[in-house]
Amino acid sequence: NAGVTQTPKFQVLKTGQSMTLQCAQDMNHEYMSWYRQDPGMGLRLIHYSVGAGITDQGEVPNGYNVSRSTTEDFPLRLLSAAPSQTSVYFCASSRSIVYNEQFFGPGTRLTVL
Amino acid sequence: QKEVEQDPGPLSVPEGAIVSLNCTYSNSAFQYFMWYRQYSRKGPELLMYTYSSGNKEDGRFTAQVDKSSKYISLFIRDSQPSDSATYLCAMSAMDSNYQLIWGAGTKLIIKP
Repeated sequence: NAGVTQTPKFQVLKTGQSMTLQCAQDMNHEYMSWYRQDPGMGLRLIHYSVGAGITDQGEVPNGYNVSRSTTEDFPLRLLSAAPSQTSVYFCASSRSIVYNEQFFGPGTRLTVL
Repeated sequence: QKEVEQDPGPLSVPEGAIVSLNCTYSNSAFQYFMWYRQYSRKGPELLMYTYSSGNKEDGRFTAQVDKSSKYISLFIRDSQPSDSATYLCAMSAMDSNYQLIWGAGTKLIIKP
């Protein structure tokens, strides 16, 4: 099992550009989520999904879109990148929203110039 | 005020010492308490999980929850250089849809 995979590992964007961060899991988990991690702020939830076709907003959803067409994949789209979106992005999955053990991917380090 | 407070450190201790890491919280509805460990440039991984109050032990690690004081702790005995990492506390409640609320993390350095 590969677990949770994320691509790319690093990305530099210019302000206003758009891009998609990819996330996939091979554990047949229902619940998937995207976090951003900034120094001194901990992990903040951007969007989450409790199953294919179902997504919802987290604490900091503005500027991001998600979709979940399959159980395995949960891409995060930045619509028009801003310097405030410079961060490390983690995708995570777990068996269900109630099951608190979340498995994290290795992260994507994004810099917006 | 943040819902979950955690001293960012760094906390530097010699190898073999007992380490105490702590979080305080404000939401009395939290029922599930977790400690995650995050190595540099890696994703977090679950270390300990506790439901409601009490202690839980797993090898060199002990997690304590004191709901009356809204305080949780992680103790590491016989600390090793490989324990050097950032330790994040997280907690959740049924009435907030089990979404994890995270502390900012404490950076721990174990000196050989």
